[in-house]
Amino acid sequence: GEDVEQSLFLSVREGDSSVINCTYTDSSSTYLYWYKQEPGAGLQLLTYIFSNMDMKQDQRLTVLLNKKDKHLSLRIADTQTGDSAIYFCAVESGGSYIPTFGRGTSLIVHP
Amino acid sequence: DSGVTQTPKHLITATGQRVTLRCSPRSGDLSVYWYQQSLDQGLQFLIQYYNGEERAKGNILERFSAQQFPDLHSELNLSSLELGDSALYFCASSVTAAGGGQETQYFGPGTRLLVL
Repeated sequence: GEDVEQSLFLSVREGDSSVINCTYTDSSSTYLYWYKQEPGAGLQLLTYIFSNMDMKQDQRLTVLLNKKDKHLSLRIADTQTGDSAIYFCAVESGGSYIPTFGRGTSLIVHP
Repeated sequence: DSGVTQTPKHLITATGQRVTLRCSPRSGDLSVYWYQQSLDQGLQFLIQYYNGEERAKGNILERFSAQQFPDLHSELNLSSLELGDSALYFCASSVTAAGGGQETQYFGPGTRLLVL
């Protein structure tokens, strides 16, 4: 089955850009998602990208997809303290509409 | 607010007991998914129901069961509870079972279960 890997922690200074990385194994992936989980809350969909796209931009968020390397990244420009949360990468592969989630990356934004 | 509601928010119980977690999907969503989030396993898909029928099964233990009722709310039943069942249980919903992009899942706030 699909395996999705993320680094566990990322620490950035307020105002800098954050880049959260994710790798996956199934080359038949169709949709790839980024979710945000704030303390005590459920997962909130931030953005998604279809596998025939290389990049998607949505305000401060930029998603980059490298299908050859099976690598997905989420860039948050001008990171704010309110962006501190756990960010999950999720991948939906051909034949299954149940996404496989990574373990999540804890983003810590310090002043 | 995703529109998905879950009750209760917190649940504390003892080993060997049985509990029921409840989920109401977003208005108009026919599909409900259950996930377990724990420190050691991460976010694990348990089971999916679509319009009252079981649609997909993941890493759900035999001690666990779920159902979706005609009004589309769903319940997850956990029995013979063990210490290792302590986790955050999420429900998510989507319009159909087709997956993909806009047809993505919207998550509830979760039920935190503590088994003592």
